Amino acid sequence: KAGVTQTPRYLIKTRGQQVTLSCSPISGHRSVSWYQQTPGQGLQFLFEYFSETQRNKGNFPGRFSGRQFSNSRSEMNVSTLELGDSALYLCASHRDGGNNSPLHFGNGTRLTVT
Amino acid sequence: AQSVSQHNHHVILSEAASLELGCNYSYGGTVNLFWYVQYPGQHLQLLLKYFSGDPLVKGIKGFEAEFIKSKFSFNLRKPSVQWSDTAEYFCAVKGNNRLAFGKGNQVVVIP
Repeated sequence: KAGVTQTPRYLIKTRGQQVTLSCSPISGHRSVSWYQQTPGQGLQFLFEYFSETQRNKGNFPGRFSGRQFSNSRSEMNVSTLELGDSALYLCASHRDGGNNSPLHFGNGTRLTVT
Repeated sequence: AQSVSQHNHHVILSEAASLELGCNYSYGGTVNLFWYVQYPGQHLQLLLKYFSGDPLVKGIKGFEAEFIKSKFSFNLRKPSVQWSDTAEYFCAVKGNNRLAFGKGNQVVVIP
């Protein structure tokens, strides 16, 4: 069974640009969560999608947005990039998003903003 | 919303030493608890989880964790570490369908 796939693996952007990251969950998993990982802050929750609807949202500005498609694939968009957005962005999927289902993580997209 | 605290962010120890990583959380409701591990260059993997029942849970690679409800803690232990245990370890707490992570413990095992 294929794992969670994130593309691209690496991205370099300049301030002010926008970026779209993609995540394909494990087959059969309907919930996708996004996290930002930085050395100083650890993993911070961005948002969670379930059946194409945003179910939970973390404390990130509106520049961070996402969506989920009918095949459960998800995209995350960051507009007007800032230097502080440089991070590893992780996508995780789980079967139904309930409290009893652990997350399965992808390898992440490493975003560098210059 | 729940929060998770992990202490001693950087841990360096020799092979065969014992490892204990502390995890404390704050959340008033029912929680599920997890430890994830991230080996160098690899993705986050589930090490072990607690949902209910026996508060002492055993995970992969000889790791175990104990849930102490009165202390809001879920500490991770391994009696004898190996060089291959060098990794970053994250405690996570899920409550109200939201998963919160601690900032992680960077563990380096010296051969």
